[in-house]
Amino acid sequence: DIQMTQSPSTLSASVGDTVTITCRVSQTVPNWLAWYQQKPGRAPKLLVFQASTLESGVPSRFSAHGSGTEFTLTISGLQPDDFATYYCQHYDNFGPGTKVDI
Amino acid sequence: EVNLVESGGGAVQGGGSLRLSCAASGFPFRSAYMDWVRQAPGKGLQWVAHIKPDGSEKWYGASVKGRFTISRDNAKNSLYLQMDSLREEDTAVYYCARDLSYGASDIWGQGTVVTVSA
Repeated sequence: DIQMTQSPSTLSASVGDTVTITCRVSQTVPNWLAWYQQKPGRAPKLLVFQASTLESGVPSRFSAHGSGTEFTLTISGLQPDDFATYYCQHYDNFGPGTKVDI
Repeated sequence: EVNLVESGGGAVQGGGSLRLSCAASGFPFRSAYMDWVRQAPGKGLQWVAHIKPDGSEKWYGASVKGRFTISRDNAKNSLYLQMDSLREEDTAVYYCARDLSYGASDIWGQGTVVTVSA
């Protein structure tokens, strides 16, 4: 079974900071890696698919890279609206999430 | 407007059954791969089940296999999840989502709450 980890689990940051979240997969996978943002009480929102392609409407301050077993999501210049929990996904596996808070 | 609306959640005793529904609108449902994903209180996302557009193939997470059944009615633009032999650990918000067939879901419903008591 594929195992997915995310680091850090919690990230404290300020408006304007640049932050990076890492998702590691236990075995090499094709670049079918997605990233989601979720706010409390809301459904997840797709940010990135195929490891690095931004979903339509997602601000350009979000970027994603990676291949093989290590993938990253970077937010350049955090905005108040970005404080949320972020999940990576590879098909039927989700990472445990990274909470970005103040 | 693209939309998914879940219904059918509620409170049930362990061992009981529930049938969730998801009504789709605003996109070609009959050509969409669809998923159910759940989230236990205070926990992360867990993939539950997946179905091909024509319903010919279905996949399930290990924790629900043999107890849950995913199905769809393309004539009614609807997705279903039949949940039997429910356990306390099935307590969660259940989301339906459109799967882009490469492991990313771009449309999500608002979720429906399932609570299973002992």
